Amino acid sequence: NAGVTQTPKFQVLKTGQSMTLQCAQDMNHNSMYWYRQDPGMGLRLIYYSASEGTTDKGEVPNGYNVSRLNKREFSLRLESAAPSQTSVYFCASSEGGDGYTFGSGTRLTVV
Amino acid sequence: GQQVMQIPQYQHVQEGEDFTTYCNSSTTLSNIQWYKQRPGGHPVFLIQLVKSGEVKKQKRLTFQFGEAKKNSSLHITATQTTDVGTYFCAGRAGNNRKLIWGLGTSLAVNP
Repeated sequence: NAGVTQTPKFQVLKTGQSMTLQCAQDMNHNSMYWYRQDPGMGLRLIYYSASEGTTDKGEVPNGYNVSRLNKREFSLRLESAAPSQTSVYFCASSEGGDGYTFGSGTRLTVV
Repeated sequence: GQQVMQIPQYQHVQEGEDFTTYCNSSTTLSNIQWYKQRPGGHPVFLIQLVKSGEVKKQKRLTFQFGEAKKNSSLHITATQTTDVGTYFCAGRAGNNRKLIWGLGTSLAVNP
């Protein structure tokens, strides 16, 4: 049982490049989330998907787009990366009001 | 907006000492969750409290939810080096699916 799988684990981008962070869960959860974590800032919600076919903005959506491809997969796209998007990105999933299961994270550096 | 304040921000203890972190919400919460994140790792769900005044224990960890459902605490008895990490609380207000996260308390344990 893999839980939540994120790829890639590490990435270095140049300013202006684009990339997609992939996330897949095998727990049949309806809800999925993308967070970024920066020192001293805690976990900030970028986008979430309450169920397949729906997505909503979180606290810090600017510069990002998401796709809920199916129930298992929820991807995060950076169209034109900026140094301010250097961060650790976590995908998570949950069912109902239960606790979140997080992936191991993507450490992104934009130079 | 809705906020969850977590104190202290950092705590250094000697192995064997007790440790407590506190969470205070600006609004009444329907439930509160606690997570642990090891250095370089991802948040891992520990527990959820739902009822007013609820107390739950997991080995050396004791979790409490306040009577007014606006505050919570995590107490660790006789800390061990394996307790090192950042402890986050996260609460839900009403039927809101999204969690409101505290900024976490980082615990360091000197052997």
